[in-house]
Formats: sequence, C-alpha cells, structure tokens
Amino acid sequence: GAGVSQSPSNKVTEKGKDVELRCDPISGHTALYWYRQSLGQGLEFLIYFQGNSAPDKSGLPSDRFSAERTGGSVSTLTIQRTQQEDSAVYLCASSLQLAGATGELFFGEGSRLTVL
Amino acid sequence: AQKITQTQPGMFVQEKEAVTLDCTYDTSDQSYGLFWYKQPSSGEMIFLIYQGSYDEQNATEGRYSLNFQKARKSANLVISASQLGDSAMYFCAMREGIFRYGGSQGNLIFGKGTKLSVKP
Repeated sequence: GAGVSQSPSNKVTEKGKDVELRCDPISGHTALYWYRQSLGQGLEFLIYFQGNSAPDKSGLPSDRFSAERTGGSVSTLTIQRTQQEDSAVYLCASSLQLAGATGELFFGEGSRLTVL
Repeated sequence: AQKITQTQPGMFVQEKEAVTLDCTYDTSDQSYGLFWYKQPSSGEMIFLIYQGSYDEQNATEGRYSLNFQKARKSANLVISASQLGDSAMYFCAMREGIFRYGGSQGNLIFGKGTKLSVKP
C-alpha cells in the first residue's frame, strides 16, 4: 500500500497476556517510529529505528516493552504481561531521511489496545 | 523539563477568523526542526508545516503559517480564515540535531496539543 499500515486496528486482551503490534512502513522510508497516545493526551515517544543504526529505545516505559525491525522494513512492538495502564492507541510512523528533506513523519491509523 | 510546551489546552475561534496556537520549545542545539500536525476526531495525524532553525523566512503552507521567533524559542501556528473542518487537536513537535543543509535524522518529540474548536 501507499501509506503506513498497522495491524491489528483494535486489540482487546486480558491483563497479563502478551501482545504484538505490527507496522509496515512506506516503502523506501528508512526511519520508523513508535508512539503511544492515551485518550485525549499527546504522543509519547517510545522507540525510533534509523536504517541499520542501533534503535533509540529511550522512550520505552519499562522492560515489558520491546520492538524489533526486520530487514529494515516491518516492525513489531511487543508488550509482555500487559497492564491496564498500557491501554492506549499505539501509533507507528515512518519518514524519509535524506539531505534536503524535511523528514516529516507519515503516520499509520494506529492500533487501539484495550487491556481488561 | 518539557521540550515542547503548548500552553492552550483548548481554543475557540469564530469561522473565517484567524487563530494563533502557541508553541514554545527548549533545546540547546543550534540545528533543529519544528513541525505542526493536525489530528481530527478520526484520529489520523496530518502534517501541516515545517520550520528549520536555519530558515530565515517563516514557513507558509496555504492558510497555515508559522510565526518563528528563534530568540524567544517560539513557533506559533497561525491559521487564517478558519473553517469548520479546522476543528481538531493540533500538535507541535521538534526534532533536534538536524544537519544545517538538510538531513532529518532523529525522533520527533511532541507537545501535549491544543484542541481547536471552530464556531459557525
């Protein structure tokens, strides 16, 4: 597709279960980002991948959160032993990072996670 | 300390009037980029406008302009001739450490947003 694709769009899980959220960025975009947005709040940075460089994990809230990006394309965000406070919309974005480009982020529609 | 501060949780504007949404930022870098995004109730994030720290002119995109005051570290968004469809959340964001002549690496840090409501 032409845009950033995220799946699932909605996920309801029980407290303590693990969840995986997937992001397929725009083809050719070397940078990929994960953000979390709680209801009515701003975007909280989680993790950033840039090409083959080590990811910037400085925003991950706990060691229950991890992410990987395989082959420089698709990324998976994993939340282990989910807690109710993990309920939020998880937004993925990608960008083209070249000299002369502004590098704006293109966002997916998000994965809404509800932890019961 | 917050990197991006948006002090107006909510704003109202009459249709066809102009409105300014405030954004101040905190950085010690000389090279940085400032972005504004719109998020309607549908939830999608829409890129509006960009200002680089070395850009001498204020950025403009249609009805959107960025009032960039570097010494004050402010990057206010001005929307002219407001329309009902402008009702949304607006987020200011910053990327630090960009290269002077382009290049755009690094993550974006977002402010908490301003909810704009346009009245008919």
